[in-house]
Amino acid sequence: DAGVIQSPRHEVTEMGQEVTLRCKPISGHNSLFWYRQTMMRGLELLIYFNNNVPIDDSGMPEDRFSAKMPNASFSTLKIQPSEPRDSAVYFCASSSGQGLSEQYFGPGTRLTVT
Amino acid sequence: EDKVVQSPLSLVVHEGDTVTLNCSYEVTNFRSLLWYKQEKKAPTFLFMLTSSGIEKKSGRLSSILDKKELFSILNITATQTGDSAIYLCAVVASNYQLIWGAGTKLIIKP
Repeated sequence: DAGVIQSPRHEVTEMGQEVTLRCKPISGHNSLFWYRQTMMRGLELLIYFNNNVPIDDSGMPEDRFSAKMPNASFSTLKIQPSEPRDSAVYFCASSSGQGLSEQYFGPGTRLTVT
Repeated sequence: EDKVVQSPLSLVVHEGDTVTLNCSYEVTNFRSLLWYKQEKKAPTFLFMLTSSGIEKKSGRLSSILDKKELFSILNITATQTGDSAIYLCAVVASNYQLIWGAGTKLIIKP
C-alpha cells in the first residue's frame, strides 16, 4: 500500500495567492482528516470527512480556507487568499471505522507564505 | 473542556536508559488512546489502547492504559539515538474527535 499521498511536499507562495493542497487517502479508508501543525499550536484538526461528506469543519480558521472531497480517493484543501500566518505543515490523514481507529498520516505539505 | 496533557514536555537521556512518557486525559465519551512518534516528518502510529491494564508491546516500546486514573504511559527500554523524536498522545472521544496532547520531545544522547 502506498500510504496517504500528499502533494506538493513544499509550497512557497506570496501573500494573497491561492494555494491548493492535495491528498489521496489509503484505499478503503472512509475517513479523511486535514490537520495543520505549527510550533506554537501543535496539531490542529481543520476538517473531517466521512464517506466523502464533511462532518465537522469547525476547525477551519476562517472563510479563506475551504476543503472538498469529490470522491473517495481525493481531497483538496484550498487557502484563498493566503497570508503569512498560514505558514505551517499541513497533514492529511485517513482511517477506517468512522475515525475511531488509528489515523495514518501523509508526509505533509510544508507551506511558506511570504 | 476535553484535554490531553503530556509530561514531561521534553526529556534528555543517554543511550541505554529507560524512559517513561506520561499522558493524562479528561474527555467525555472516551473511546481509545493513541500513541504516535513524530520525527522530521509525519506522525507514525505506535499503539492504540482501549482497555485498562492490557499492555501493548512492540520491540523495546510498550504502553498501558489506566481508565480509572485516566492516564497512559509509554515505556522505551534500552533507548537508542533513533528513538529521538516527539511522542504524541491522542484520545479518540465521541464519534471521531481526536484530541491531541502537546507531545514529549525526547532526545537520546549517544
